[in-house]
Amino acid sequence: AQSVTQLDSQVPVFEEAPVELRCNYSSSVSVYLFWYVQYPNQGLQLLLKYLSGSTLVKGINGFEAEFNKSQTSFHLRKPSVHISDTAEYFCAVSPGFQKLVFGTGTRLLVSP
Amino acid sequence: NAGVTQTPKFQVLKTGQSMTLQCAQDMNHEYMSWYRQDPGMGLRLIHYSVGAGITDQGEVPNGYNVSRSTTEDFPLRLLSAAPSQTSVYFCASSLGDRVELFFGEGSRLTVL
Repeated sequence: AQSVTQLDSQVPVFEEAPVELRCNYSSSVSVYLFWYVQYPNQGLQLLLKYLSGSTLVKGINGFEAEFNKSQTSFHLRKPSVHISDTAEYFCAVSPGFQKLVFGTGTRLLVSP
Repeated sequence: NAGVTQTPKFQVLKTGQSMTLQCAQDMNHEYMSWYRQDPGMGLRLIHYSVGAGITDQGEVPNGYNVSRSTTEDFPLRLLSAAPSQTSVYFCASSLGDRVELFFGEGSRLTVL
C-alpha cells in the first residue's frame, strides 16, 4: 500500500527566506505525486504535480518540487517566501483511480 | 463559476442522528470523492465514484453511505452519527484519473 510521510508538522520561517518542505513516499508501483495547499478555512488547491518526464516540477506561486526516485522523495521548495504563503501543505501520492493518499500535512508559518 | 459546492458548512448533531452532506459540481467531472480531515492525520478517503451509478469504498468507509444518481451530485450520508465522526469533510471532483482534484470549502461536523 502507498503511504506518504511528511516529517515536519510545522516549519517556521522568516519572510524572504528560502524554505523546503519534506515529503517521502513508499510505493511498489509507479506513482503520481502532488502537493496541495490549504489556506485557513478553505479547501485544498493544487500547487503542482508530477506525472512523468522532468523530475523538476514548477507550480503556482513560485513553488517547485523535485522527484527523486532513488530516495523516494518529492520535496517542495520556494527560494523566497511571503507572509501570504502561510498555510498548510499536503503531499499526496496516487497509484491511479483517484485514490489519493495524503500525508499528515506541514504547517508553514511565515513571520516578518 | 461555482466549482464544487458543499452544504452545510457547519452542522452539530447528537449521537444517533442521521444527516446528509451535500456535494454538487458544475464542471461535468466524472470522478467525485469524499475525504475527512482530522488533526494530525491529513485527509483520508471515505468513498469515491467514477461516474453516475458507480461508487466504491475508500480507506475509512464505515458509518457512511454514498450514491451517485447524477454526474453533478454526490451526497454523503451518516445513518447514525457517532462522536468519532466529528471532523471536517471535503468533497472533491476531477475530470479524470491522475489529474487535479478540485475541492469544496469543507463541511465542519460536530457530533455530541
